[in-house]
Amino acid sequence: EIVLTQSPGTLSLSPGERATLSCRASQSVSSSYLAWYQQKPGQAPRLLIYGASSRATGIPDRFSGSGSGTDFTLTISRLEPEDFAVYYCQQYGSSPPIFTFGPGTKVDIK
Amino acid sequence: EVQLVESGGGLVKPGGSLRLSCAASGFTFSSYSMNWVRQAPGKGLEWVSSISSSSSYIYYADSVKGRFTISRDNAKNSLYLQMNSLRAEDTAVYYCARACSTSCYYAFDIWGQGTMVTVSS
Repeated sequence: EIVLTQSPGTLSLSPGERATLSCRASQSVSSSYLAWYQQKPGQAPRLLIYGASSRATGIPDRFSGSGSGTDFTLTISRLEPEDFAVYYCQQYGSSPPIFTFGPGTKVDIK
Repeated sequence: EVQLVESGGGLVKPGGSLRLSCAASGFTFSSYSMNWVRQAPGKGLEWVSSISSSSSYIYYADSVKGRFTISRDNAKNSLYLQMNSLRAEDTAVYYCARACSTSCYYAFDIWGQGTMVTVSS
């Protein structure tokens, strides 16, 4: 079973700064099945990125995803006030066919 | 509007049972795989179970296997989670989520608002 590790646990930044979030898998993951979600307090998660690098519908282009194999990155080019939230990576494994979430990275205001 | 609305959460004693429902609207429910994801208070997301569009394929996390049963009724645009032998560690907000099929590699593109399940004596 693939384990996802996210770093850092918390990222303290100011609006306008660049955020770089890491997701590392315990074994190689198909890039097609790597997604990123944003969750704000009291809200359901929201899909940001699928297929490691494709933005979901309505997601601003300041959000970008990259990576392959075991190392994936979510980048927020310039933080807006509404971007302070928790971010989760997720992978879909076909054998066994299960979904796994990383523990999350909290981006908070410095 | 594409929407998922969960219901059925509440307080239940350890060893008890609960059935969650998720009502879908605004899309062709029968065309999509569906999922349950939970989040314990102050914790991260945990995938619980998946069911394919025609119920042919069903999968569970090891933590709930043998105790939870996922099902769906495409005629009623509804997803269900029957939870038996509940434990304190099942306490969480339970979300239903749509998997967006091959167009976005089964990522979860639509989520409900969640329903809280509390297992406590």
